[in-house]
Amino acid sequence: AQSVAQPEDQVNVAEGNPLTVKCTYSVSGNPYLFWYVQYPNRGLQFLLKYITGDNLVKGSYGFEAEFNKSQTSFHLKKPSALVSDSALYFCAVSHLFSGGYNKLIFGAGTRLAVHP
Amino acid sequence: DAGVTQSPTHLIKTRGQQVTLRCSPISGHKSVSWYQQVLGQGPQFIFQYYEKEERGRGNFPDRFSARQFPNYSSELNVNALLLGDSALYLCASSNQIGREGQPQHFGDGTRLSIL
Repeated sequence: AQSVAQPEDQVNVAEGNPLTVKCTYSVSGNPYLFWYVQYPNRGLQFLLKYITGDNLVKGSYGFEAEFNKSQTSFHLKKPSALVSDSALYFCAVSHLFSGGYNKLIFGAGTRLAVHP
Repeated sequence: DAGVTQSPTHLIKTRGQQVTLRCSPISGHKSVSWYQQVLGQGPQFIFQYYEKEERGRGNFPDRFSARQFPNYSSELNVNALLLGDSALYLCASSNQIGREGQPQHFGDGTRLSIL
């Protein structure tokens, strides 16, 4: 079965420092991985995705993610954190079912707190 | 262009009642999916509709139902509400299904509280 795990409930980082939010996955077949961000009282905003190709994926708002097949990881990174990056971050894997539909399977989320 | 819109934004119901939530996808998108997000957890898949047909269903009881209209908007219905149905209900749209790697675009959700 497809699954993702986010091992950290919360990540704290000082403004201006690099940040990493961790995600590991378990899939059968090729992984199709996503990162979404959720601000308070809002829905999920798409940040980036990995389908195939380069292991470093660039996304919105200066975020990037590093795909590592041997470690089955897809960690979200940003070189310099902003206070406005404080939010809930979700890693997800896309699963295609035999009926031709696909769903996103989410991790439990990681709360990022960036301190001034 | 407008994103995915959902209504209402908040709703309070009591146990045993029925509720209908509404979603309008991004213009041009033909697929709508519904997710339930319980506080402190990641979203869980409920349904996916494409071209007005149910294409997939998650592990939810028959009290949950949905439909998609000719203009691709969608409704989610929940009958006989339970306290455990309290959650943020998210609608997501995409322009096609059946392809891996297709991002889904989410609305801001409907916060449903059951008293």
